[in-house]
Amino acid sequence: NAGVTQTPKFRILKIGQSMTLQCAQDMNHNYMYWYRQDPGMGLKLIYYSVGAGITDKGEVPNGYNVSRSTTEDFPLRLELAAPSQTSVYFCASSRGAEGNQPQHFGDGTRLSIL
Amino acid sequence: DAKTTQPPSMDCAEGRAANLPCNHSTISGNEYVYWYRQIHSQGPQYIIHGLKNNETNEMASLIITEDRKSSTLILPHATLRDTAVYYCIVRVGSFGNEKLTFGTGTRLTIIP
Repeated sequence: NAGVTQTPKFRILKIGQSMTLQCAQDMNHNYMYWYRQDPGMGLKLIYYSVGAGITDKGEVPNGYNVSRSTTEDFPLRLELAAPSQTSVYFCASSRGAEGNQPQHFGDGTRLSIL
Repeated sequence: DAKTTQPPSMDCAEGRAANLPCNHSTISGNEYVYWYRQIHSQGPQYIIHGLKNNETNEMASLIITEDRKSSTLILPHATLRDTAVYYCIVRVGSFGNEKLTFGTGTRLTIIP
């Protein structure tokens, strides 16, 4: 009964370092999403994917890259970490993007850039 | 997507029903009403959604008014673990609606 699993849960990076946030889902969902949530704010969509091999930008994609080689995995990469990328990152998945298909979220990765 | 309005905070006694209101007066005919909650430090948790009929699942009930301009989420027997921020969201029922837009929500505190 895992659902959406994100690793790591916490990470501290230095400015200019790179890292990959991992996301995996076991519900055979076609759609996967990456959001970021800054303190006291709502979620902002970074990237999403409608299936293996297909990704597209959300509203705040700059500084990030994604890939989707399998249905289950949707990693998010930060190439040159900047303090503005300090945030909580949530991965989500859904069966589709229609209005009656809920998104299910992981527990997040808390990332600090110092 | 239509905007929603929720009270910023509410209290409810443990064991009582928690009724969380949401106004969505500009909702369109093909927009669904969704409820999520976010318990501190955790990811948003899907609760329930509906289009025009009332819905019930193992977590909650959703009551949508006949004109669909407002709805109420009901947690029938609130426990301390239901303390969270609850978000009411409306979403169109067609492809291309990838983004979920979370507003400020209602901070529900369950009182022992």
